[in-house]
Amino acid sequence: GAVVSQHPSRVICKSGTSVKIECRSLDFQATTMFWYRQFPKQSLMLMATSNEGSKATYEQGVEKDKFLINHASLTLSTLTVTSAHPEDSSFYICSAPSLLLAKNIQYFGAGTRLSVL
Amino acid sequence: AQTVTQSQPEMSVQEAETVTLSCTYDTSESNYYLFWYKQPPSRQMILVIRQEAYKQQNATENRFSVNFQKAAKSFSLKISDSQLGDTAMYFCAFVRYSGGYNKLIFGAGTRLAVHP
Repeated sequence: GAVVSQHPSRVICKSGTSVKIECRSLDFQATTMFWYRQFPKQSLMLMATSNEGSKATYEQGVEKDKFLINHASLTLSTLTVTSAHPEDSSFYICSAPSLLLAKNIQYFGAGTRLSVL
Repeated sequence: AQTVTQSQPEMSVQEAETVTLSCTYDTSESNYYLFWYKQPPSRQMILVIRQEAYKQQNATENRFSVNFQKAAKSFSLKISDSQLGDTAMYFCAFVRYSGGYNKLIFGAGTRLAVHP
């Protein structure tokens, strides 16, 4: 099956620093990827849609200057949490859909747990 | 706008028993897909089962099956012969079909505990 790799799995950083999270589709091309945020015991909240070769589309209420998204290639999207603060601590998950492998199935990365001290 | 509702925050079942998780959705779309995803304690999202709206036949995957009622906009998941490894959060999700890539709309989730 399709594999989406997300790195790092866990990051702890000091307040004010920036953190980059990578999402790679390992065996298929993904012109679109999605970034989610998940609070404890809650559902996944879509933050933005990452588009290769164009600007990301952010959901309402998500600060695009705080959460920078770059879709550098057909297999890589990055989410940078800029000037992180404790309230940014959360679980971040990426996904990539593949129409070639199976219609409209999204494959998920293993997630990144961000802790801001 | 599409919405997905899971009305059971928590469920529990004895090992080897059968359990049904409920999901309803609201949409004006005619072509769409429905999914059940499982999120175990590792938090890796795993696809359990997928249903295409234009197919009347209910999808099945081994011990997992769905009861898809399109008119009622209902999409329940039945887990037969429950196993301890089925303990997880289960999310119902919807995506409209437009030929491109569209975002998943998730329900709030149901936490399932399988007891020995």
